[in-house]
Amino acid sequence: AQSVTQLDSQVPVFEEAPVELRCNYSSSVSVYLFWYVQYPNQGLQLLLKYLSGSTLVKGINGFEAEFNKSQTSFHLRKPSVHISDTAEYFCAVSDQVRGSYIPTFGRGTSLIVHP
Amino acid sequence: GAGVSQSPSNKVTEKGKDVELRCDPISGHTALYWYRQSLGQGLEFLIYFQGNSAPDKSGLPSDRFSAERTGGSVSTLTIQRTQQEDSAVYLCASSLGERETQYFGPGTRLLVL
Repeated sequence: AQSVTQLDSQVPVFEEAPVELRCNYSSSVSVYLFWYVQYPNQGLQLLLKYLSGSTLVKGINGFEAEFNKSQTSFHLRKPSVHISDTAEYFCAVSDQVRGSYIPTFGRGTSLIVHP
Repeated sequence: GAGVSQSPSNKVTEKGKDVELRCDPISGHTALYWYRQSLGQGLEFLIYFQGNSAPDKSGLPSDRFSAERTGGSVSTLTIQRTQQEDSAVYLCASSLGERETQYFGPGTRLLVL
């Protein structure tokens, strides 16, 4: 069975500062990894995904994430955050155990950007 | 273009009543997912439809929960004899196929009194 751990439930940061949201997963097989963002009162939106190839994945809004197989991590980073980045961020992993790539989501990290 | 829509956006019901939640996926998307999002929790998978295949119901928490997808498009999630612990946001997502990007609707916020 696969699982996802988002180590921080809340990350406060000042505007224009860098940020890293941590995500670790466990799975016995090859995985696909995702980061989603949920703005207040909206549905989830895909930020980026790793399926194969380069371990550094670039997404929308200046976010990027690096797949580290040895550390089973997929941390999300942004070099300079904006107030508008305030949202809930979810890491997700899917593999072929289920045969249908249904993702397992972490509990989410609330990013709070202060002016 | 139109995204995934869900209705109602909010639903308040009394314990023991049945509720129906509706999801309209993006046209042409063959895969449809239902998730439940409780306060402080991640998304909990409920059920998955892919084309004409039998749905994956492995995430449904009890036999009070059921879902159907008519004509490969609109889906309805039904919760019978609702309990207070069913209170959550119910999210629907669709995709072109498995492994494709999922597009989420805004959710239905269910409150069981």
